[in-house]
Amino acid sequence: DAGVTQSPTHLIKTRGQHVTLRCSPISGHKSVSWYQQVLGQGPQFIFQYYEKEERGRGNFPDRFSARQFPNYSSELNVNALLLGDSALYLCASSWYNQETQYFGPGTRLLVL
Amino acid sequence: AQTVTQSQPEMSVQEAETVTLSCTYDTSESDYYLFWYKQPPSRQMILVIRQEAYKQQNATENRFSVNFQKAAKSFSLKISDSQLGDAAMYFCAYRIVFGNEKLTFGTGTRLTIIP
Repeated sequence: DAGVTQSPTHLIKTRGQHVTLRCSPISGHKSVSWYQQVLGQGPQFIFQYYEKEERGRGNFPDRFSARQFPNYSSELNVNALLLGDSALYLCASSWYNQETQYFGPGTRLLVL
Repeated sequence: AQTVTQSQPEMSVQEAETVTLSCTYDTSESDYYLFWYKQPPSRQMILVIRQEAYKQQNATENRFSVNFQKAAKSFSLKISDSQLGDAAMYFCAYRIVFGNEKLTFGTGTRLTIIP
């Protein structure tokens, strides 16, 4: 079975632009979570979605938003990009409220 | 708020030897899960081992085992017979059982394997 997939793998944006990151969960998984990992730090929780509803939100500004589609894939959107948004963005999927999340390979975002 | 602390930024071990990575956490919850994830240079976060807080028995997965001390809020990872492929960043993580699936991570320990 395919694991969690994310696209694109890398992208470069300039300050003030908008970006959309995509995630496809493992087949059968209905929950998707997003994390931001700044270089040298552990991942920070951004959002969790289950059945198209937001079930958790981390301490991130309103510039960050997400949604989940009927096929359980998800998008993370970031508006008005700042230099500090440069990071690895990780997506993880799971059965709802099961104990293990499986991570994708991440999207590396560089904001110039 | 829950916090996870990894006090060893870097560790090294000779190939085939044993190494222990430390993790402490702070929580007021009684039911929770603890995890060790491995992140090699490829950046893919890979689950190494998990522990349910209600279980007194320490989890074991092949060469990987944990020492879970609930009262001390300590959760260390022991890697036996270290192999070159074990070289990676290791993150300790915590989540509550009920509620959303937020994982709280530590800052990581970089493990180097010396041939």
